[in-house]
Amino acid sequence: DGGITQSPKYLFRKEGQNVTLSCEQNLNHDAMYWYRQDPGQGLRLIYYSQIVNDFQKGDIAEGYSVSREKKESFPLTVTSAQKNPTAFYLCASSLGQGLPHRNSPLHFGNGTRLTVT
Amino acid sequence: GQNIDQPTEMTATEGAIVQINCTYQTSGFNGLFWYQQHAGEAPTFLSYNVLDGLEEKGRFSSFLSRSKGYSYLLLKELQMKDSASYLCAVHSNYQLIWGAGTKLIIKP
Repeated sequence: DGGITQSPKYLFRKEGQNVTLSCEQNLNHDAMYWYRQDPGQGLRLIYYSQIVNDFQKGDIAEGYSVSREKKESFPLTVTSAQKNPTAFYLCASSLGQGLPHRNSPLHFGNGTRLTVT
Repeated sequence: GQNIDQPTEMTATEGAIVQINCTYQTSGFNGLFWYQQHAGEAPTFLSYNVLDGLEEKGRFSSFLSRSKGYSYLLLKELQMKDSASYLCAVHSNYQLIWGAGTKLIIKP
């Protein structure tokens, strides 16, 4: 079955360490996204990529970095510069290169809960 | 600014009907999504409204009024598995703006 795999589900790190969250999809989707979800807030876009070797900053890109070397993979690195990294991180993909719509909604992975102490 | 409002939490009884509202104030409008998210899991796509009116899909229906900046998700014949958060998102000027979600609690 096709889908999006995020790993690990839970991740613990010490303050000052960089950490990379994995996101792999086998849906043959062009576009991939990283969102952050915090209690009481809507999803916030960190980075997105509409095509291999290209990506754009979202609303809260500071302290994060990404790469898109393969269509299937869009890893997110949370750097030590991110002031409040503890959160639930969701990776998503959609079929076309444009924004999601009825025939190309976002498909999400099961998320990675990152805790930094 | 751009804003989406949803009730934080709602409670309903198994077998009943519940309506979850979403109001939005955005600079543009191209469509509105509803997603369901069980705790600690991936949001899953429920519906997408572009035109005014009601769209029905099994036990779930979604309504849109663009002039009022208002949508609702209607869930009928509630089941315990419907206990989840329901997220509203507006497609506005090449970006998706998300509400904070409504946590729906179903009681037997």
